[in-house]
Amino acid sequence: DTAVSQTPKYLVTQMGNDKSIKCEQNLGHDTMYWYKQDSKKFLKIMFSYNNKELIINETVPNRFSPKSPDKAHLNLHINSLELGDSAVYFCASSQEVWTGIESGNTIYFGEGSWLTVV
Amino acid sequence: TQLLEQSPQFLSIQEGENLTVYCNSSSVFSSLQWYRQEPGEGPVLLVTVVTGGEVKKLKRLTFQFGDARKDSSLHITAAQTGDTGLYLCAGADSNYQLIWGAGTKLIIKP
Repeated sequence: DTAVSQTPKYLVTQMGNDKSIKCEQNLGHDTMYWYKQDSKKFLKIMFSYNNKELIINETVPNRFSPKSPDKAHLNLHINSLELGDSAVYFCASSQEVWTGIESGNTIYFGEGSWLTVV
Repeated sequence: TQLLEQSPQFLSIQEGENLTVYCNSSSVFSSLQWYRQEPGEGPVLLVTVVTGGEVKKLKRLTFQFGDARKDSSLHITAAQTGDTGLYLCAGADSNYQLIWGAGTKLIIKP
């Protein structure tokens, strides 16, 4: 079973549409993340949730709204899609909020969702 | 804004050769991680280095954290075709946020 799974893997949609990407983790982790990887491969964190509570909200347009119905799910809803939203979106999870110094608190990534806005 | 620069951006070598890729910054990081990302997949953690000067080995891969904790290197000995992928470094800043490099795309030719 995939530890962090996200759907859909590929999504092509028109400008102005609203779309959602779903993410589920079966690792029993308390923290989930959404990252955006642009065409230059830079990974940037967008949101982080711990126990269903928002703890990181980077400078992301408010057209992006995460929703965490429970600890195992963190969905990303995007309103009024724009061309610049085209990217790969990665969901990830870790046991605890990642602080960078505990070697055991690994961040596990999903396979990514390729979003193309035309 | 802290930046992590990776070099080279692209490297294509023959199987059996050795290689080193670099991750550099002007900022100090509390820890640094290396990931490998294969096409169509998410990044997978290879190693975390925490102490300045630390060296960690993972089979044919050797990771080093700079003494000042501003840079890191990944050395691969006797590269194999299975080493092909995008190698990303990510450093933890003072706010415990991960700052990512743009990666080194490595191709090992048979």
